[in-house]
Amino acid sequence: DIVMTQSPLSLPVTPGEPASISCRSSQSLLFSNGHDYLDWYVQKPGQSPQLLIYMASNRASGVPDRFSGSGSGTDFTLKISRVEAEDVGVYYCMQALQAPCTFGQGTKLEIK
Amino acid sequence: QVQLVESGGGVVQPGGSLRLSCAGSGFTFSNYGMYWVRQAPGKGLQWVAGISYGGNNQYYIDSVKGRFTISRDSSKDALYLQMNSLRTEDTAMYYCAKLLFHYDSSGFSADFWGQGTLVIVSS
Repeated sequence: DIVMTQSPLSLPVTPGEPASISCRSSQSLLFSNGHDYLDWYVQKPGQSPQLLIYMASNRASGVPDRFSGSGSGTDFTLKISRVEAEDVGVYYCMQALQAPCTFGQGTKLEIK
Repeated sequence: QVQLVESGGGVVQPGGSLRLSCAGSGFTFSNYGMYWVRQAPGKGLQWVAGISYGGNNQYYIDSVKGRFTISRDSSKDALYLQMNSLRTEDTAMYYCAKLLFHYDSSGFSADFWGQGTLVIVSS
């Protein structure tokens, strides 16, 4: 199975400041069609996970444009340009290339 | 609007069985692959099992192979997870999720998730 490794695991951020989370996979997530199958999900307190970014850089429906995803192959990054209080939660990367899918450990974003 | 509603969770003794259900609505259920993800108390997310849109392909993590069976009944817009020989380590919230792309055409991204059903395995 593909191993996903996130950093940092804890991320205190001041509102209005940027934030960045890294995700590394144990093997390339680049498929022959040119897409990288890496997703980002957020689980806000008391809620189910929700899709933020798919195929490394595509924002899901309704996701604010302050969220962006980048990277290819085995190294990926989620960036929040200006953190807001509502962004508190645990952020997970997940490889969506092959089953079984695998998640990173999660990064807990908190407001300073 | 898309809705996924899980049911069937509860408290069961080690070695026991449970059948989880997930009712889908607001989309053409038969066109989308589905999967189950679980979250042990205070822990991260773990993908458990998936099934193709037509039901012909099933996928499992190693720790549940031979104990769990994923299935679907598209005439009822329902997804199931039959869990046998349950262990204490299966204790978790179980979420069902719908694939983003129809006909399993591009990866395993999931755009809608249910609210979850809690399974507790304890003597």
